[in-house]
Amino acid sequence: AQTVTQSQPEMSVQEAETVTLSCTYDTSESDYYLFWYKQPPSRQMILVIRQEAYKQQNATENRFSVNFQKAAKSFSLKISDSQLGDAAMYFCAYRSQGGSQGNLIFGKGTKLSVKP
Amino acid sequence: DGGITQSPKYLFRKEGQNVTLSCEQNLNHDAMYWYRQDPGQGLRLIYYSQIVNDFQKGDIAEGYSVSREKKESFPLTVTSAQKNPTAFYLCASSTEPTGTDYNEQFFGPGTRLTVL
Repeated sequence: AQTVTQSQPEMSVQEAETVTLSCTYDTSESDYYLFWYKQPPSRQMILVIRQEAYKQQNATENRFSVNFQKAAKSFSLKISDSQLGDAAMYFCAYRSQGGSQGNLIFGKGTKLSVKP
Repeated sequence: DGGITQSPKYLFRKEGQNVTLSCEQNLNHDAMYWYRQDPGQGLRLIYYSQIVNDFQKGDIAEGYSVSREKKESFPLTVTSAQKNPTAFYLCASSTEPTGTDYNEQFFGPGTRLTVL
């Protein structure tokens, strides 16, 4: 079974600075997807960024980028120029590619605080 | 506007009572999911459904039941058999999770269930 581990329960960053959130996963599959979700205080889950395992190029979405290391099974999220609105819980998630089950497997989350 | 609605936002239940959480989507998605979120935990899958009149147990299905009579609706019943039902419940939907499309999951705003 696949597992996702986020080793940092809480992180803090100064506004306008850069922060990196860590995520590792365990799988025997070669094809899969990885995601970072943001959950602000409203508790609405918002997709931040995704990565297809077959792509070597790291995904980027504006101030958000990932460092995907397939061999190491590592998928970290870098937030540049942090803003107050980035304060939230961040969840790393895994999904198998293809197959009949499309559910996500989540890590326990990292609570990010942004200091003004 | 297309999206997922969950009702009610807050729900209180006395011990020994069954309660049903509503989830409706107008995204024309085939697949729907129910997740449970506890403090300090990621989301865990309760049930999922890929098509009308069909659903599968997730990792923590004991004490829960679902139905999928319509494509748009996937209600979750928390039964008295669920030992610790107080939690935050999230519903999600996606296009059919087969093939190589990453099938983004869209989440509802959630229902907070408290057992008194």
